[in-house]
Amino acid sequence: ETGVTQSPTHLIKTRGQQVTLRCSSQSGHNTVSWYQQALGQGPQFIFQYYREEENGRGNFPPRFSGLQFPNYSSELNVNALELDDSALYLCASRPGTGGPEAFFGQGTRLTVV
Amino acid sequence: AQSVTQLDSQVPVFEEAPVELRCNYSSSVSVYLFWYVQYPNQGLQLLLKYLSGSTLVKGINGFEAEFNKSQTSFHLRKPSVHISDTAEYFCAVSGGGKLIFGQGTELSVKP
Repeated sequence: ETGVTQSPTHLIKTRGQQVTLRCSSQSGHNTVSWYQQALGQGPQFIFQYYREEENGRGNFPPRFSGLQFPNYSSELNVNALELDDSALYLCASRPGTGGPEAFFGQGTRLTVV
Repeated sequence: AQSVTQLDSQVPVFEEAPVELRCNYSSSVSVYLFWYVQYPNQGLQLLLKYLSGSTLVKGINGFEAEFNKSQTSFHLRKPSVHISDTAEYFCAVSGGGKLIFGQGTELSVKP
């Protein structure tokens, strides 16, 4: 059984640029969530996708957007990057009709300079 | 609204000593509770979960936690820690399909 995988592992971008982060969900999981973890903080919920539709969003501006594909993989896009967007971005998947526990990937460390 | 408070930001402990990491939550509905561990430069790994049933939950690596509804707590315990337990620990509550995390507790195990 393949776990949650994220790419890339590290990324450096310049303020104002755009970035796309990718996530492959665990086999059989059709729900994908994204979290932002700033240094020294707990993860904060960005949004969730279920069967290619966004079905929950946290307190993040519209420049944070996402997609889910028919194979349940997902992308997180961030436009007009700001210095405060520097963080570890975590993807989590879970079976849509299964238990509420989420399984996390290793994360993408984004640094905005 | 649901929230999680981890009462200790750092817990230093000597190897083979017992440890307790404290977590309080607030929720107006039935809760699902979790503890995750994060090793340096890693993602989150599920340690244990409370969904229903027995209030004493056993997880991986010898950890256990007790759900106390009257005190709205879900403290994590281990009777004897190892150097390899050094990591950041997060308590979380599930609400509306998302996880709400505490700020984390850094467990530092010293020889």
